[in-house]
Amino acid sequence: SAVISQKPSRDICQRGTSLTIQCQVDSQVTMMFWYRQQPGQSLTLIATANQGSEATYESGFVIDKFPISRPNLTFSTLTVSNMSPEDSSIYLCSVDGTGFEQYFGPGTRLTVT
Amino acid sequence: DAKTTQPPSMDCAEGRAANLPCNHSTISGNEYVYWYRQIHSQGPQYIIHGLKNNETNEMASLIITEDRKSSTLILPHATLRDTAVYYCIVVPGYSSASKIIFGSGTRLSIRP
Repeated sequence: SAVISQKPSRDICQRGTSLTIQCQVDSQVTMMFWYRQQPGQSLTLIATANQGSEATYESGFVIDKFPISRPNLTFSTLTVSNMSPEDSSIYLCSVDGTGFEQYFGPGTRLTVT
Repeated sequence: DAKTTQPPSMDCAEGRAANLPCNHSTISGNEYVYWYRQIHSQGPQYIIHGLKNNETNEMASLIITEDRKSSTLILPHATLRDTAVYYCIVVPGYSSASKIIFGSGTRLSIRP
């Protein structure tokens, strides 16, 4: 199994600012995924991040708003840029596991005021 | 869009079997059925997966119909800790590296 940590666990930010969320894994993984979970909703995939290549974004998400870095096989960051109250969500990262399951981090709870 | 349909909510008495249905009528031959659950304020947790045969592990059993158009997740002896949102997901291929598209899930409540 993989143990995933995210920082920060929660934050309150002002409109127009940016927040960078970190995802750290205790083992090397090929694929990392970023999700958003708006209040009371299911998870929505933002992007897939492969080490050494540009992230692949899902429809409705763009790099200028959600830039992602993947500098090595154990770490990734997601930045939420120029935030608005609509960005208030839980942001989760996940990683590929041993072949058939994904492991999810605990999430970062973001509130934009 | 999610390729599965689940009831929005269900409840079950503690100690009884919880049977959660899922429809995936457009599933392709190489697509697997996965189940994850999300306990409040936590990240989703893998439960079980299958292709066409029934599967069982320490957490649950998965029953897939012969035509593969629907499946049922069975929690044999539900406890209060099983209260969660359960997601039935269709994933192409046998790989944890496949992106997961979550549907709305079933909110399961276990009553004492």
